[in-house]
Amino acid sequence: GAVVSQHPSWVICKSGTSVKIECRSLDFQATTMFWYRQFPKQSLMLMATSNEGSKATYEQGVEKDKFLINHASLTLSTLTVTSAHPEDSSFYICSAQRTGGLGTQYFGPGTRLLVL
Amino acid sequence: EDQVTQSPEALRLQEGESSSLNCSYTVSGLRGLFWYRQDPGKGPEFLFTLYSAGEEKEKERLKATLTKKESFLHITAPKPEDSATYLCAVQAAGNTPLVFGKGTRLSVIA
Repeated sequence: GAVVSQHPSWVICKSGTSVKIECRSLDFQATTMFWYRQFPKQSLMLMATSNEGSKATYEQGVEKDKFLINHASLTLSTLTVTSAHPEDSSFYICSAQRTGGLGTQYFGPGTRLLVL
Repeated sequence: EDQVTQSPEALRLQEGESSSLNCSYTVSGLRGLFWYRQDPGKGPEFLFTLYSAGEEKEKERLKATLTKKESFLHITAPKPEDSATYLCAVQAAGNTPLVFGKGTRLSVIA
């Protein structure tokens, strides 16, 4: 149990386009999901906390108008990188916390974004 | 401010050579301490959650322990497939995000 999927796993796009990444909890409900960014050989950097049915909470320094998060159901959260630029190229990982659970987060496999 | 420090940054072991990874933490009211394994290019894989000092959990060659100030991940007779980055994270009381350490990169040489 506790499987989280992400789609797509790889995306290459042109500068200025928008990219949507989906995060799904496949076998449990997740009131809260999290979005992270990871640079090579570095640890996870939390971008935002996404709660079902409400606005996401963004970490300091993360532009909410650039990284749009929607958590419309208990099993799906989406991250849209708007007007992507090469500096947005990174590894994006989501995690989901089981509703009513004791805090354990289960991570997706990640999405590699390359902006040309 | 909640903090997690992992040591060593990198560890190279011979196959079968047991060792321990350290995770020191300061947190205002520990709700849980988490260990994850991350392989290159993949998301972290959940290993253990520890909730209170004195608690221990085991899975195959791995054993996690917890005190009031630190946690250890013991690796017994490691194999090359245990090579990965091991991440430690803590969650303070309440539904706050996890605070991660920078990880320990483990290499097990055959």
